[in-house]
Amino acid sequence: DAGVIQSPRHEVTEMGQEVTLRCKPISGHNSLFWYRQTMMRGLELLIYFNNNVPIDDSGMPEDRFSAKMPNASFSTLKIQPSEPRDSAVYFCADSLGNQPQHFGDGTRLSIL
Amino acid sequence: GQQVMQIPQYQHVQEGEDFTTYCNSSTTLSNIQWYKQRPGGHPVFLIQLVKSGEVKKQKRLTFQFGEAKKNSSLHITATQTTDVGTYFCAGRKGIGNEKLTFGTGTRLTIIP
Repeated sequence: DAGVIQSPRHEVTEMGQEVTLRCKPISGHNSLFWYRQTMMRGLELLIYFNNNVPIDDSGMPEDRFSAKMPNASFSTLKIQPSEPRDSAVYFCADSLGNQPQHFGDGTRLSIL
Repeated sequence: GQQVMQIPQYQHVQEGEDFTTYCNSSTTLSNIQWYKQRPGGHPVFLIQLVKSGEVKKQKRLTFQFGEAKKNSSLHITATQTTDVGTYFCAGRKGIGNEKLTFGTGTRLTIIP
């Protein structure tokens, strides 16, 4: 199994641009989580889905952030417009129910 | 909301010394998980504790869950350079809830 796959691994873009992060969970794992990690704020849960349905988006910073899960094998996290303070490592993780979470390698995002 | 704090934030130890990180939740947890993140890597699941007062061991690592299910600890005996990384606890509030609240993490550095 390839594990949780995220793309791109690195993204550098100018502020104001739209950024789309992608995640492919492990087949059969029905919960998907988006996290943001920074030195200042640690590992924060942004949103999570269960069976493709958003369950808790209370961690989404503001309206510039949106996430979708159109099917069981794909999710996106979009930032529009991006700002320098959005620079962080964004992780996608999944789990089967209450089982341990499996993290992807992350996307290192830099907004100039 | 639920908060999970860890102390210390950083720990530098001589190789061969012991190391302990403590995790405290503001609310009672149904279970707690521990993850390790190597520098530049992603969090990787180590163990889950469910029962009040539970103690589990993995080679040189000993994990404890408090009697009140609000705190936990990870103890590493005779640290090795491969133990370098950040250790996170992550608490789950409800049994049917997939959401994990990650602690602030303890970054362990080993001095050879």
